[in-house]
Amino acid sequence: GAGVSQSPSNKVTEKGKDVELRCDPISGHTALYWYRQSLGQGLEFLIYFQGNSAPDKSGLPSDRFSAERTGGSVSTLTIQRTQQEDSAVYLCASSFGRQIREQYFGPGTRLTVT
Amino acid sequence: AQSVTQLGSHVSVSEGALVLLRCNYSSSVPPYLFWYVQYPNQGLQLLLKYTTGATLVKGINGFEAEFKKSETSFHLTKPSAHMSDAAEYFCAVSVYNAGGTSYGKLTFGQGTILTVHP
Repeated sequence: GAGVSQSPSNKVTEKGKDVELRCDPISGHTALYWYRQSLGQGLEFLIYFQGNSAPDKSGLPSDRFSAERTGGSVSTLTIQRTQQEDSAVYLCASSFGRQIREQYFGPGTRLTVT
Repeated sequence: AQSVTQLGSHVSVSEGALVLLRCNYSSSVPPYLFWYVQYPNQGLQLLLKYTTGATLVKGINGFEAEFKKSETSFHLTKPSAHMSDAAEYFCAVSVYNAGGTSYGKLTFGQGTILTVHP
């Protein structure tokens, strides 16, 4: 079946603009995660969804970052007033159920803030 | 809080040689451990995982890892490297919260880039 998909694959934006990154998880996966991968910080957890709820938002770096999930499926990560330090690859992953299971990752969105 | 340390940001081996990528974790509760591989411009792919039970786990592409609680280690090995193994490898840990619930989030090591020479 289809894996996790993310769009766009690349996004270049000017400092101060808002961006939206989209994630389509594997069908039936109730858990969805956003991570950020950058040269300086490595792979960092951002936010976790179980269904449409986000019980763990502890990794969001500032209030400029927000995310939502609708219909227990698609999720959107929004970054407002982008800064150069937001440049990174944003990875989405999904898994089934509430137990600790392997997460399936999408190919990521490479965000470049100029 | 849990953490992961991968010893060696770069490892270079010859084709056919043993691959050993080191991972040590820190956790106050029993950990669930994972190794992921990332090829250039791609997402992460699961190689193997340790949850409970057998401490020697086998994964895809001939990789295996052994969970050693006394050493807090979960090193990744492969007896004979192949050119196609060249990639970046990440060790990760996840735990259950004190209340027995889990958010399942992964805490990653810094990654090890594996280079395979012909």
